Amino acid sequence: DADVTQTPRNRITKTGKRIMLECSQTKGHDRMYWYRQDPGLGLRLIYYSFDVKDINKGEISDGYSVSRQAQAKFSLSLESAIPNQTALYFCATSEGQLHTFGSGTRLTVV
Amino acid sequence: GENVEQHPSTLSVQEGDSAVIKCTYSDSASNYFPWYKQELGKRPQLIIDIRSNVGEKKDQRIAVTLNKTAKHFSLHITETQPEDSAVYFCAAREAAGNKLTFGGGTRVLVKP
Repeated sequence: DADVTQTPRNRITKTGKRIMLECSQTKGHDRMYWYRQDPGLGLRLIYYSFDVKDINKGEISDGYSVSRQAQAKFSLSLESAIPNQTALYFCATSEGQLHTFGSGTRLTVV
Repeated sequence: GENVEQHPSTLSVQEGDSAVIKCTYSDSASNYFPWYKQELGKRPQLIIDIRSNVGEKKDQRIAVTLNKTAKHFSLHITETQPEDSAVYFCAAREAAGNKLTFGGGTRVLVKP
């Protein structure tokens, strides 16, 4: 299912480096989200955007920033990566009730 | 904001038995409660949902119940099969927007 595409799928980076995770969608949805998944903590919302030029902080936005370049693109940046940002990151889109998730990006910060 | 708690964190059942996962939420104005299944290495996929004006919903072997007064909702899987083994997440949507708050997940293992 290529409706919501995340790149890269896996990434190892060093502490202090800047890294960008990208998300693109072909569903035509206005609403896009970035979640972080850690074992035992479920999915936690980092940032969300209900339209181009609309950016909102989620539960755990510290250390992250986002850019909504177009309706179809929503990127997540770690300005200076730290080891506790090691996690599985999911992008999602929604229209109405249904969230559709991307395949995830596994990020390791060493 | 909304807070969702999910129990148990792990659940092991024998094939053919039933599995029940329970979630509680804090915001009485939340109005939509989806359940997602995440198989190993894959993305979460919606399996069933319920809206606040409904008390119960069934889809083949899975069902969800909602008690608005007590602010809790549950997922029931009957006649479990090995392919039901996965991590299940409940979520609640705030009435003010389309944000979902997720529970911590339940790892279900169905033993053959």
